[in-house]
Amino acid sequence: GAVVSQHPSWVICKSGTSVKIECRSLDFQATTMFWYRQFPKQSLMLMATSNEGSKATYEQGVEKDKFLINHASLTLSTLTVTSAHPEDSSFYICSLAGDPSYEQYFGPGTRLTVT
Amino acid sequence: GENVEQHPSTLSVQEGDSAVIKCTYSDSASNYFPWYKQELGKGPQLIIDIRSNVGEKKDQRIAVTLNKTAKHFSLHITETQPEDSAVYFCAALATLNDYKLSFGAGTTVTVRA
Repeated sequence: GAVVSQHPSWVICKSGTSVKIECRSLDFQATTMFWYRQFPKQSLMLMATSNEGSKATYEQGVEKDKFLINHASLTLSTLTVTSAHPEDSSFYICSLAGDPSYEQYFGPGTRLTVT
Repeated sequence: GENVEQHPSTLSVQEGDSAVIKCTYSDSASNYFPWYKQELGKGPQLIIDIRSNVGEKKDQRIAVTLNKTAKHFSLHITETQPEDSAVYFCAALATLNDYKLSFGAGTTVTVRA
């Protein structure tokens, strides 16, 4: 399977600041990338789907102006949490899929803590 | 949209015994069913998957079965080992839905030595 990295692996930021999380495919050209959020002891919740070179599609209830996604290339997608608040503290995970491919390969996740 | 239900939520087994996790799905258009293992603080790792044209798939100690008529699929782990302890998620994907995965709630498996 594909190797996916995320950076940073964990980040602590103050309320009101913005944080950028990178998701990189190290050996696979990903047409589609997904961003998930996972709260403690819960399942993965899809936040948005991004395709290279086009705007992301957000799931219902996810604020697109708060969670900015940029899929600039086939190997890099970024998620920026703007004006972060404590309730945004969570585990953010990206995944990527080829075209056509059913399989999704997940990154190691980024733990965000907003104080 | 797709709704995936997963049972049980927790499972404790003695080392060497088998573990079975069951999932049901609602969308008859779903045609791909992966299982993921997630260890604490890490991302999910694909351990096995099955497509709708197959009824069973096995990989060493892990097997998955699919009943399309009943819309349920199961994960079977035989000869469990302590390193099998983790949270397991089932998921379903309907290609008509832009390749979005719908996840079950997860099962915390604990293998007692």
